[in-house]
Amino acid sequence: DIVLTQSPLSLPVTPGEPASISCRSSQSLLHSNGYNYLDWYLQRPGQSPQLLIYLGSKRASGVPDRFTGSGSGTDFTLKISRVEAEDVGNYYCIQVLETLPSFGGGTKVEIK
Amino acid sequence: QLVESGGGLVKPGGSLRLSCAASGFTFSHYNMDWVRQAPGKGLEWVSSITDTSVYIYYADSVRGRFTISRDNAKNLLYLQMNGLRVEDTAVYYCARDGAELGTEFDLWGQGTLVTVSS
Repeated sequence: DIVLTQSPLSLPVTPGEPASISCRSSQSLLHSNGYNYLDWYLQRPGQSPQLLIYLGSKRASGVPDRFTGSGSGTDFTLKISRVEAEDVGNYYCIQVLETLPSFGGGTKVEIK
Repeated sequence: QLVESGGGLVKPGGSLRLSCAASGFTFSHYNMDWVRQAPGKGLEWVSSITDTSVYIYYADSVRGRFTISRDNAKNLLYLQMNGLRVEDTAVYYCARDGAELGTEFDLWGQGTLVTVSS
């Protein structure tokens, strides 16, 4: 089974400053089609999760361009270029390479 | 949109059936999933079903106890939960798989709370 490890667990951020979350996989998520099967979700307080990034780096519809997904193989990063107040919440990565997907443990982003 | 229903309080060993009503898109064209979140915990994928129900998958934690199904004529997704355990207590979300490669959950419901307690 593929295990995803997110870091940090908690990330205090200052509005207007950049932020970065890491997701490391126990196995390569690079598919033979060239895509990395790694997605990112944001769950704001009291809300359902929402898709931010899919296939490692593709921004979902309506997601601001301050969110960028990067990485390949086993190491992935979600970057927020300039954090806004609405970006607080829990961020999760998920591997969808295997038929049984698995989420990372989550990273809580909060305003300092 | 996706709207879940059917959650509630049930005793250990009991059963519950969740429903997810889809609208605003052609339900029969999409694979669907259930994802759950225990109180104060992270997300856990539970089960998935392809558009025509040919392929069905379950997390190890629910296999043999939960059954996913769908009715494309009624635009409904179901999760039949039997042999419920205290550790099944969670908010259950239904989610739609994306159209491009079906690898992402691009639409989520608001969730329905299942509480397993004596």
